[in-house]
Amino acid sequence: GNSVTQMEGPVTLSEEAFLTINCTYTATGYPSLFWYVQYPGEGLQLLLKATKADDKGSNKGFEATYRKETTSFHLEKGSVQVSDSAVYFCALCTGNQFYFGTGTSLTVIP
Amino acid sequence: ETGVTQTPRHLVMGMTNKKSLKCEQHLGHNAMYWYKQSAKKPLELMFVYNFKEQTENNSVPSRFSPECPNSSHLFLHLHTLQPEDSALYLCASSQWTGATYNEQFFGPGTRLTVL
Repeated sequence: GNSVTQMEGPVTLSEEAFLTINCTYTATGYPSLFWYVQYPGEGLQLLLKATKADDKGSNKGFEATYRKETTSFHLEKGSVQVSDSAVYFCALCTGNQFYFGTGTSLTVIP
Repeated sequence: ETGVTQTPRHLVMGMTNKKSLKCEQHLGHNAMYWYKQSAKKPLELMFVYNFKEQTENNSVPSRFSPECPNSSHLFLHLHTLQPEDSALYLCASSQWTGATYNEQFFGPGTRLTVL
């Protein structure tokens, strides 16, 4: 079946550190891939997306590349800020279904 | 501001109450969703509406009753809930292209507490 697996949290980093949150997927066909972010007390916000292999999604300094050969869509940021503290969700859409990972909590300390 | 609004933002209700959650999307999308988000659990899809027709019901108890009068509005009617139904209820919308859904846009959620 289709599924998304993302790294367990919580993740704690110092400001300006490099961030990687791993995401791998299992899917039939050619899914679209997404990263969402959820700040405390809010709903999920789309952070970036990629719709085909080798596409790179990017937004607000975050990047993720759709790797079909490794079925991965890892989220990276070169220098995190305190304001990046949130929960990050990897997701895929294949045909008419969305699948979400369990979320990874990130805390950035000054 | 994602273009999806939800009211109320917070709701406290007793187990014998009847209440409704409201969602409205201003994005011109043709699909709407209800999700339940509980602490330390994955996001749970509850219902999907596509062009006002329900296309998914993920074995949700009948004490949750959805209503979609048009493509812009979605309701979740609640009655005789249990304390374990306390959670954040998220509404989302997306566009069905005929072959796939585009990305979902989420509302801020309703924090529900059942006493």
